[in-house]
Amino acid sequence: DAKTTQPPSMDCAEGRAANLPCNHSTISGNEYVYWYRQIHSQGPQYIIHGLKNNETNEMASLIITEDRKSSTLILPHATLRDTAVYYCIVRVWGAAGNKLTFGGGTRVLVKP
Amino acid sequence: DGGITQSPKYLFRKEGQNVTLSCEQNLNHDAMYWYRQDPGQGLRLIYYSQIVNDFQKGDIAEGYSVSREKKESFPLTVTSAQKNPTAFYLCASSSPGETQYFGPGTRLLVL
Repeated sequence: DAKTTQPPSMDCAEGRAANLPCNHSTISGNEYVYWYRQIHSQGPQYIIHGLKNNETNEMASLIITEDRKSSTLILPHATLRDTAVYYCIVRVWGAAGNKLTFGGGTRVLVKP
Repeated sequence: DGGITQSPKYLFRKEGQNVTLSCEQNLNHDAMYWYRQDPGQGLRLIYYSQIVNDFQKGDIAEGYSVSREKKESFPLTVTSAQKNPTAFYLCASSSPGETQYFGPGTRLLVL
């Protein structure tokens, strides 16, 4: 699986959009970009994933650059409950037994 | 209400003791996984199972054992051979190769 690079931390004001960047310059053509988050002392929560098109669900939007070397997770209206560590992961879809490789992630603090 | 449950939430182990962590899912997923997380670190794969009665070692299987007798259940035993068992243990499940969903975790502490 390709490695990812994320900023270690960022702050965000409550009610504002949070834009979380991720670099994955060695991503392969069949690797998807996944985002999970982990609130303190809980299991990771799946947020969204995509291959090359932008994706949106009820939690967030995922913007992937045309060359696929980087992506941005957007939380449109951050709340205090969005304070968590956010992980960007790339992996091959459908690969049997393929583990998730979690790096350091970005620690997001949403402030009132 | 579909999901993954892990029990207990906290578990204490004495020196030389084997302990078993429970993981149950009702998502009808074929694949199940066990990860270990140390403080401030990412997750590391211990074991995974793609189908009943079959499982494979992950990156850090030494000192651990698993069984997969039922589709819904994938218990993890931390044996006395695991010299540094204190960690947060996470179970996940998925359809093979697809998105993994995690349980709430079990925190294991050594007395």
